[in-house]
Amino acid sequence: KAGVTQTPRYLIKTRGQQVTLSCSPISGHRSVSWYQQTPGQGLQFLFEYFSETQRNKGNFPGRFSGRQFSNSRSEMNVSTLELGDSALYLCASSFARATEAFFGQGTRLTVV
Amino acid sequence: QQQVKQSPQSLIVQKGGISIINCAYENTAFDYFPWYQQFPGKGPALLIAIRPDVSEKKEGRFTISFNKSAKQFSLHIMDSQPGDSATYFCAPQGSNTGNQFYFGTGTSLTVIP
Repeated sequence: KAGVTQTPRYLIKTRGQQVTLSCSPISGHRSVSWYQQTPGQGLQFLFEYFSETQRNKGNFPGRFSGRQFSNSRSEMNVSTLELGDSALYLCASSFARATEAFFGQGTRLTVV
Repeated sequence: QQQVKQSPQSLIVQKGGISIINCAYENTAFDYFPWYQQFPGKGPALLIAIRPDVSEKKEGRFTISFNKSAKQFSLHIMDSQPGDSATYFCAPQGSNTGNQFYFGTGTSLTVIP
C-alpha cells in the first residue's frame, strides 16, 4: 500500500512570495495533519483536516493556511514568506484519533 | 505551553548496550503514548506505542515502560545497534485533545560500533 506522498521534496523561495505544498495521504485515511520541523523549535503542529474540514489548528499566524479535497489530498499554503519559515514541512495521515500516524518524507522549504 | 519534556537531548551508547529515553507529560487527557523514530531526510515513523491500560509493552528489542501516576513513559532499546542511530521523539496524544501529537524535543541516539 502506498505511503504518504509529499510534493515537492525541495523548494527555494524568496521572501514575500507564497508557496503551496501538497500531501496525498494513505488510501482510506481521512485525517491529514501538518507539522513544521525546525532545529530550534522541533516539531510543531500546524493544523489538521478531516473530511475537508479543519478540525484543529496550532499557534501559527494566518499566513499559514490549508485545505483538504474530497479525495483527502491536502494542500498547505504559506503567504508572504519570511526567512523564519524555512523548515521541513511534514504531512501525516491517520485513520482515527490517537492511532498511528504515517508521515511523508516532507518538503524542505528554504526562504532566501 | 510545555506539555511534554523529553530527556536526554543526546545519547551515545556502545553497540550491545541499553539505550533509555524518558518522556514526562502534563496532560492527563493523553491516552496514546507512541515513540517515533526519525532518520535524516525522512519523516518520523512509529516505533512502538502503548495505551494507559498496561504498564509495559515489548516489541523485539524495544520496550515502553509507562507510569501513569508519575505521568512518565520511557523507551528502552536493548542490544543497541548502529542502525538504531536516529532521533527519537515521544509524542503523546489524546482521543479528546484533537488529532495532534505533542512531540517532545527529540533525543539524538548514536550507537558506536
